[in-house]
Formats: sequence, structure tokens, C-alpha cells
Amino acid sequence: QEQLVQSGGGVVQPGGSLRVSCEASGFAFSSFGMHWVRQAPGRGLEWVAFIRYDGTNKYYGDFVEGRFTMSRDNSKNTLHLQLNSLRVEDTAVYYCAKGFGGYDMRDYFDLWGQGTAVNVSS
Amino acid sequence: ESVLTQSPATLSLSPGERATLSCRASQSVSSYLAWYQQKPGRAPRLLIYDASKRATGIPARFSGGGSGTDFTLTISSLDPEDVGVYFCQQYTRWPTFGGGTKVEIK
Repeated sequence: QEQLVQSGGGVVQPGGSLRVSCEASGFAFSSFGMHWVRQAPGRGLEWVAFIRYDGTNKYYGDFVEGRFTMSRDNSKNTLHLQLNSLRVEDTAVYYCAKGFGGYDMRDYFDLWGQGTAVNVSS
Repeated sequence: ESVLTQSPATLSLSPGERATLSCRASQSVSSYLAWYQQKPGRAPRLLIYDASKRATGIPARFSGGGSGTDFTLTISSLDPEDVGVYFCQQYTRWPTFGGGTKVEIK
């Protein structure tokens, strides 16, 4: 069945870096746009980033300010989010999510990973 | 940016009762609205897309309605397994989410 399995994350000091990854199975990964969505403890959901099905276009939330980089490897059905210059307010569970389309960020999310915790703390 | 406001913040009902959740957009999102259910410690699950279309495998007791700025998610007969937080999301531009409605069983 369709599945997204996440890995990575952990605890990092402010200013540090982490990478979170997402491996897809059960669907044609290379045909769909993919997203990252985060959820701070006890808070709602916040869209982070989008990458087009072929990796040619990427969009980020305003709060990213050039600190995060999203990438994908369609040969390995994997998605990555590199988190640099992390701030305390980036502490959240990060979810990868499959978009219903492939071309731009105007998507809803029909499949979610299990989530990966990122804790930015000194 | 379209801000989504959900109400009520918490809904406490008995099993079998009808639950009506509201999502209001600060500007029109046409029918580009989705609803998700999130159970504690779990990832969100898509329930409704395009305002009124049920996602694959979602029980018929869940229905969505509305267009423009006012939307509702209705659970026709509340089941104890429906406990969780429900979020609306618009996708006319970059995706944004409402703050959520927590559904509890009395």
C-alpha cells in the first residue's frame, strides 16, 4: 500500500543543522509533488516547503528565509529536508506529505509520513 | 494570504449525536478546501477535499459543504473513534491551515 516512512531528526543546538528524510513506496513517487508540513508542540499545522514532481521547482514558507533546502531523488523514491541555522522556534514534528498533483504548491495532502521530531534547544 | 478560523475550539458530544464543525476563510478560497482528522500522536489523515469530496476509505458519516468563505464538516452520528482534532486547509495559494477543532466524547 502507499506509504511514507520518515527518518532523521533529533536534538540540535540553536544555529545547528539536521536532515530529515522520507522514503516513499506503493505509488509512482516521481509523478507527484511533495511537501513538508510541521507542527510545533501543542500547536496547529504549518506548511514548510514544496518540490515539484521532477524537482525543478521548489517553494518555501516565508519563515524559512533561505535556511532550509528541500530535495528529492526519484531514482530512490526519497525526499529530504536539510535544516540549517535552526532556531528554537523551529522545534516541531516535521511531516512529509504527498500532494494530489505534481506541478505547484496549491495542493491538499492525501498521504502523510509518521512524523519526525526536531528539537532545537541549548 | 487567506486566514482560516475554525469554531468551536472544542466540541463535546455524546455518541450518536451530530457534530458540525465550522471553517471560515478571510477571503474566498472557492472550493479549494480540505479537512483532516488528527488523533493524538498520529499524523493527520485526509477526510475531505474540494470542500465536499470524501477521500478514499472515509466513512459516509463524514461530509463537507460550503464554498467561498464558509465551510462545514459534519459527522452525522458521532462514533467514539472520531475523537481527535480536525483541521481545515485551503489550497488557493500556498497551503494554510485553520487552528483546529477538538472533538471529545461526553
